[in-house]
Amino acid sequence: DAKTTQPNSMESNEEEPVHLPCNHSTISGTDYIHWYRQLPSQGPEYVIHGLTSNVNNRMASLAIAEDRKSSTLILHRATLRDAAVYYCILHLYGAQKLVFGQGTRLTINP
Amino acid sequence: DTAVSQTPKYLVTQMGNDKSIKCEQNLGHDTMYWYKQDSKKFLKIMFSYNNKELIINETVPNRFSPKSPDKAHLNLHINSLELGDSAVYFCASSPTPGSSEKLFFGSGTQLSVL
Repeated sequence: DAKTTQPNSMESNEEEPVHLPCNHSTISGTDYIHWYRQLPSQGPEYVIHGLTSNVNNRMASLAIAEDRKSSTLILHRATLRDAAVYYCILHLYGAQKLVFGQGTRLTINP
Repeated sequence: DTAVSQTPKYLVTQMGNDKSIKCEQNLGHDTMYWYKQDSKKFLKIMFSYNNKELIINETVPNRFSPKSPDKAHLNLHINSLELGDSAVYFCASSPTPGSSEKLFFGSGTQLSVL
């Protein structure tokens, strides 16, 4: 399974943008980049995914490096409810599972 | 309506007992999964079923037996519970196996084996 590397923890302030980095230098051409988050005492929740181009949705934006060896999840205006563990996952198209890493624990200060 | 629902939410039991966790999804998805999250918070896939057929078994002890009576349900039965089985178990579903589509997770079942 292709591996991702994320910082263990990050901290930000409410109403400020947050940039969560992910390195995936062993990514292959058919790997999709997925982001999930897990709020306290809840199951993981899908955030966003992409292949090559940057992606936006109502929750976040995903910026993918041109060589695809890294990506950044962008929360445009963090709220206290965004405090969670964020997982960056490579999902091989055709593979039948998601392999979670350790994730980044995001703390939001009021 | 909850998309992926698991019962019970909490399960406390003694070593050696047999217990089951139920999972149901109302999304019309073909594929369902069981994941285990241990005390270090690592999420690991255990099983995957597509349309009631087992497609992934990640070297889980055979004390764990998933059963899928129909594609909307995937239950997990655990025999002879051990202390190391204590964890949070998550059920999930997705539209089709192997696609880039997202997974929907239940809220988890916290199993404590005493």
